[in-house]
Amino acid sequence: KAGVTQTPRYLIKTRGQQVTLSCSPISGHRSVSWYQQTPGQGLQFLFEYFSETQRNKGNFPGRFSGRQFSNSRSEMNVSTLELGDSALYLCASAQDNSYEQYFGPGTRLTVT
Amino acid sequence: GENVEQHPSTLSVQEGDSAVIKCTYSDSASNYFPWYKQELGKRPQLIIDIRSNVGEKKDQRIAVTLNKTAKHFSLHITETQPEDSAVYFCAATPYGGATNKLIFGTGTLLAVQP
Repeated sequence: KAGVTQTPRYLIKTRGQQVTLSCSPISGHRSVSWYQQTPGQGLQFLFEYFSETQRNKGNFPGRFSGRQFSNSRSEMNVSTLELGDSALYLCASAQDNSYEQYFGPGTRLTVT
Repeated sequence: GENVEQHPSTLSVQEGDSAVIKCTYSDSASNYFPWYKQELGKRPQLIIDIRSNVGEKKDQRIAVTLNKTAKHFSLHITETQPEDSAVYFCAATPYGGATNKLIFGTGTLLAVQP
């Protein structure tokens, strides 16, 4: 099976802009979670989607949002970008009734 | 609140030696504890995991132990090789319920000297 894919892989945006990142899970996986990875804060949970419903949300401001489509693909959106949003954004997918999560390669977002 | 502490932050060993990384979690309802390996510029890779109803799990040169009473779990790598050099993250699922949310430790940079 193909692994988790994310697009784009790299992105440069200006402060104040908004961005949309995409994640395609492993075929058959309906759970998709998003994480932000920075050198200072490490890996932090953003949100989790299962069967098009947000099942869990981390402690991030409302500028961070996400959704999941009927084919389990997920997008996350960050509005009004700040310099501190520069990070590697990772998504991970899991099978139903399984805790095992498999990560995508990430999207490296740079905000200038 | 939910928290996972990981030690040490850096670990340097000679090739062939063993390496041990330790994590402590705060939520007593946590029931799943994975370990991820992340090489420079790569995605985190699941290398081993353990459920709360198991005390130890082994897969070739790596093993994980869990002490539920003390709320800590450890990764053991034996006969280390240079390709084991990477950042290792422990994690725990909070609540014990239907969620794939992971709380990660801060990572351990393992350097295996040839």
